Amino acid sequence: SYELTQPLSVSVALGQTARFICGGNNIGTKNVHWYRQKPGQAPLLIIYRDSHRPSRIPERISGSNSGNTATLTISGVQAGDEADYYCQVWDRGVIFGGGTKLTVL
Amino acid sequence: QVQLQESGPGLVNPSETLSLRCNVSGDSMSTDYWSWIRQPAGMELQWIGRVSVNEGPSYNPSLRSRVTLSLDTSANNFSLRLRSVTAADSAVYYCARGGGSGGIDSWGQGTLITVSS
Repeated sequence: SYELTQPLSVSVALGQTARFICGGNNIGTKNVHWYRQKPGQAPLLIIYRDSHRPSRIPERISGSNSGNTATLTISGVQAGDEADYYCQVWDRGVIFGGGTKLTVL
Repeated sequence: QVQLQESGPGLVNPSETLSLRCNVSGDSMSTDYWSWIRQPAGMELQWIGRVSVNEGPSYNPSLRSRVTLSLDTSANNFSLRLRSVTAADSAVYYCARGGGSGGIDSWGQGTLITVSS
């Protein structure tokens, strides 16, 4: 079955840029979606189909996808960005990565 | 704007069947996929399956033998039945819109299910 690999954690200083990696075999051929989940809340879709933002999501959040790696980038990190971030694809079912926890220093 | 709300028992005895319903407002449910996702405490998201008007249900292979999903567009809801539950099925269960190529764009608040006697 298809697997998505995400680092367990990322730490970034306030105002800097956070990058989240999602690895998968030829993931560049798939549509990748990204979710943010804060403690006690449901996940929120922040990027769909590799690089598209839902209307509520600010421009400082972006995504890309090529080869074996998809990347979520958050520029100008704020304290409110602390959360778990999950990537997701469809491969004979919905597949989630294990999630990456963002800590803002 | 679509809203989803899960309802369920909270506590289920081991070996019994878990039944959950998701009430949907703001969407006719005649298009789109409708999914169930769960998350054990402190762990990652796990997709359970999806239903839609236009296709038969799709299930996570690891749960297929125990799960049945159904859709009732006249009542604007969809349901999950998970048979022979164990403690490993304890989790927050979310209902959501999506599960195809476009991502999962709307989620319920989640309902905590504990399997224990």
